[in-house]
Amino acid sequence: SQTIHQWPATLVQPVGSPLSLECTVEGTSNPNLYWYRQAAGRGLQLLFYSVGIGQISSEVPQNLSASRPQDRQFILSSKKLLLSDSGFYLCAWSDGLHYNEQFFGPGTRLTVL
Amino acid sequence: DQQVKQNSPSLSVQEGRISILNCDYTNSMFDYFLWYKKYPAEGPTFLISISSIKDKNEDGRFTVFLNKSAKHLSLHIVPSQPGDSAVYFCAALYNFNKFYFGSGTKLNVKP
Repeated sequence: SQTIHQWPATLVQPVGSPLSLECTVEGTSNPNLYWYRQAAGRGLQLLFYSVGIGQISSEVPQNLSASRPQDRQFILSSKKLLLSDSGFYLCAWSDGLHYNEQFFGPGTRLTVL
Repeated sequence: DQQVKQNSPSLSVQEGRISILNCDYTNSMFDYFLWYKKYPAEGPTFLISISSIKDKNEDGRFTVFLNKSAKHLSLHIVPSQPGDSAVYFCAALYNFNKFYFGSGTKLNVKP
């Protein structure tokens, strides 16, 4: 069966510090991978998605970047965090067998102070 | 521009009654529509989906209706239970690899 891991679960970082959030998927090959952010009281905003290694599509201009160094690894990064980067970050996957579904990780709560 | 909208931020329903959650969309090219349930500090969990070529899909207490002419879908939960209390997100799938989510509706089922 497929599982998705995200870490860390919570993170408190000062403004201007770097960020690296990691997501890995097990039990599937060549998944589509996604990063979302849920700001307080808001819906899920798609930040990045990837259909293969090294292929990243950015949905909104922002202070963040994403990379996919391996098939089942998706990393969300920032060189300098802003206060507005605070939120709940979710990684998700879908694949050819489950193309009409999307499965989410447990999320990372990021607080930028 | 938000392509999927949930205009009701919250809904309160008595246990045993029907809960109806609504969602509107703007892009007629969406392939599938999905509903997710989310508890605080957790990732959303998939509930039910419907293909754009269908108008109804049922799974136990959950039924999703799709009205393509109105670009509207709804999720019916019958009977509602206190454990259904959560935030419900509507989502739409485009080109079989890109998902758009609404802003969510917080459902409160009162015992």
